Amino acid sequence: DAKTTQPTSMDCAEGRAANLPCNHSTISGNEYVYWYRQIHSQGPQYIIHGLKNNETNEMASLIITEDRKSSTLILPHATLRDTAVYYCIALGGFKTIFGAGTRLFVKA
Amino acid sequence: NAGVTQTPKFHILKTGQSMTLQCAQDMNHGYLSWYRQDPGMGLRRIHYSVAAGITDKGEVPDGYNVSRSNTEDFPLRLESAAPSQTSVYFCASSYSRGSSYEQYFGPGTRLTVT
Repeated sequence: DAKTTQPTSMDCAEGRAANLPCNHSTISGNEYVYWYRQIHSQGPQYIIHGLKNNETNEMASLIITEDRKSSTLILPHATLRDTAVYYCIALGGFKTIFGAGTRLFVKA
Repeated sequence: NAGVTQTPKFHILKTGQSMTLQCAQDMNHGYLSWYRQDPGMGLRRIHYSVAAGITDKGEVPDGYNVSRSNTEDFPLRLESAAPSQTSVYFCASSYSRGSSYEQYFGPGTRLTVT
C-alpha cells in the first residue's frame, strides 16, 4: 500500500475553495486514491475516489496528476460545516489504512 | 435506509468483564469491518468480513472476536476487557465496484474500561 503525506492542518475562508493536497509518490498502478473526512467525533464519511482520471461528485472534485504521484481534493465553496479531518488513502483491494489526515479549519 | 447502526453509543466496563458491540447494516453490503480510534493513532482495523461465514484479522485483532452469521450483522466481542481497550469503535460496511471499495461508517461506540 502506498504511503500518503498530507499537511497537518490548513485554513480556508468560508465561501472560498478549499484545496487539500496529498502526496502518494509510491502509488502503484492498481491502487485507488480515496478521500474520507471525519467531522468532530463522528464516523468517517466517504467523499470521493479515483484511479487516474479526475472525478467530481456532489461533495467535491478530485484532481490526480498525470504521473499519479499526487492528488488534490477540492471543496468548491467551503462552509463552516466542512471543518473536519480529511484523510487521503492510496491502496488497492479491501484494505484501508488511515493516517493522521489534514485538519481543515473553515473560518467565517 | 438507516445505513450502518451501532449500539451502544457509550459504555463503561470494568476490567475483566465481557461485552458485545453490535453493528448492523441494511445496505446489502458484503464487506464489514471493525476499527478502533485512539488519540494520535488514527483508525486501525481490528477484524473484517468479506461475506457471511468468513472473517479475518486486521491490524490489531488481539483481545477481540467477531462472527458473521448473516449479511446484516457483525458483532464485536470483548471476552475479558482491559484498560488498553478503552477507545472509540467504528463499524464500516463496504461494497466493491470492480476493484474499488467505498466504506460507510457507523456513528461509533465510545467504550471506557476502568
